[in-house]
Amino acid sequence: DTAVSQTPKYLVTQMGNDKSIKCEQNLGHDTMYWYKQDSKKFLKIMFSYNNKELIINETVPNRFSPKSPDKAHLNLHINSLELGDSAVYFCASSQVPGNEQYFGPGTRLTVT
Amino acid sequence: AQSVTQPDIHITVSEGASLELRCNYSYGATPYLFWYVQSPGQGLQLLLKYFSGDTLVQGIKGFEAEFKRSQSSFNLRKPSVHWSDAAEYFCAVGQYGNKLVFGAGTILRVKS
Repeated sequence: DTAVSQTPKYLVTQMGNDKSIKCEQNLGHDTMYWYKQDSKKFLKIMFSYNNKELIINETVPNRFSPKSPDKAHLNLHINSLELGDSAVYFCASSQVPGNEQYFGPGTRLTVT
Repeated sequence: AQSVTQPDIHITVSEGASLELRCNYSYGATPYLFWYVQSPGQGLQLLLKYFSGDTLVQGIKGFEAEFKRSQSSFNLRKPSVHWSDAAEYFCAVGQYGNKLVFGAGTILRVKS
C-alpha cells in the first residue's frame, strides 16, 4: 500500500515543452505539498494545499501551476520548461499544516 | 526568519561506532522538530518527531534525538551505526498551521 505516489518517476523532455506530474495520497490527509530538490539536495517548498485550497505559494515562476481536484490528489503542471527546471520534485502530505509530512518517491525531471 | 542549520555537510563514521548529527534552528516559538532520512534515489522517510513533552524522542531504525531548548538544538543520535544507515539526513522545523523548513542535509558515510 503506497502512501504517497507520484507519476512519472522519470521525465525527460525538451525546453519549451509543457509537462505534468501527478501525486496521490491514500493516507486521508488534508494537506498536500510540492517540493523541488535541486542538485545540491536542497529542499524548497513550492506549494501547499489544504482541503483543496492553496495555502502556500512560494516564489515560484508562474509557469508552475498546481491543481488539486480533490484532497487526495495534487498535480503540478509546468509550462514552457527551462533547463533550470531540471530537479527532483517531491510530493508530500500531512494531516494538517506543520505536522509530520509523508513524502512520495520523487519525480526526476530532466530538461534538455 | 525561520531557519535550520545542519553544520556538517558530510560525516564519516565506522560501522559500529556511535553517531551524532547536529541540527540548530531559529524559530519564533516552540517548534515542531523532525528528522528525515533520504537514501539515494528515494523519497524522504520520517525518522522521528518532537512536538512536546519528553525532550528525548525515539524513532525508527534505532535513532533518537534530544530537544534542547536552551541551545535551540535537536541533534540526532544512534549508538551503533550500520552500513545501511549511509544516506542523507535532513532536520526540519515547523509549527502547527505552518510550513516546514528544512536544513541543507548531512551526508552520512559509513566505512567498514
